[in-house]
Amino acid sequence: DVKVTQSSRYLVKRTGEKVFLECVQDMDHENMFWYRQDPGLGLRLIYFSYDVKMKEKGDIPEGYSVSREKKERFSLILESASTNQTSMYLCASTGGAWGSIQYFGAGTRLSVL
Amino acid sequence: RKEVEQDPGPFNVPEGATVAFNCTYSNSASQSFFWYRQDCRKEPKLLMSVYSSGNEDGRFTAQLNRASQYISLLIRDSKLSDSATYLCVVKGSSNTGKLIFGQGTTLQVKP
Repeated sequence: DVKVTQSSRYLVKRTGEKVFLECVQDMDHENMFWYRQDPGLGLRLIYFSYDVKMKEKGDIPEGYSVSREKKERFSLILESASTNQTSMYLCASTGGAWGSIQYFGAGTRLSVL
Repeated sequence: RKEVEQDPGPFNVPEGATVAFNCTYSNSASQSFFWYRQDCRKEPKLLMSVYSSGNEDGRFTAQLNRASQYISLLIRDSKLSDSATYLCVVKGSSNTGKLIFGQGTTLQVKP
């Protein structure tokens, strides 16, 4: 069965802290994605990676960075957390025909105080 | 203009009703289309792909109109368990698997 695992379901951090969100997939997928989801705004793509050590900016990369050192792991980094980064963060990886079906992790609800 | 637009709802319908959602997309080069379902406080999951010829999966029917650039989802005989947010999703021409998600349409099925 397909599995995308995010390291934390809930996180509370303080403004200015460096935050790491980890995501691991066990499907040998090339493509991995980080989104944030906010009420009224839907899912917005932060960064994605189509191979180890490769990354591309999504629609809202400001304030975030990513790391893909191994194929199965894609990390999202908030260099200096701010209150406007309070959100639900969802990781996904792509499988299926032509890489179209995305499988999501359960999400991390991050609160920055 | 958003790349994928949906009416956020909520759509409140009684059990047994038929309900339809529409979604429009702006990029005429888009190649693949999907409906995802997201339950409250859960992650999105693929509901069904949408093909040009239309496709049906039990009570769910999806259709694509390329000329008008819209996608529809029809749910017949609504169940309480159909209550969720339905996300319209479009894939462009790249092979990186990048998808564009609509804001979602919320459905509440009442007893």
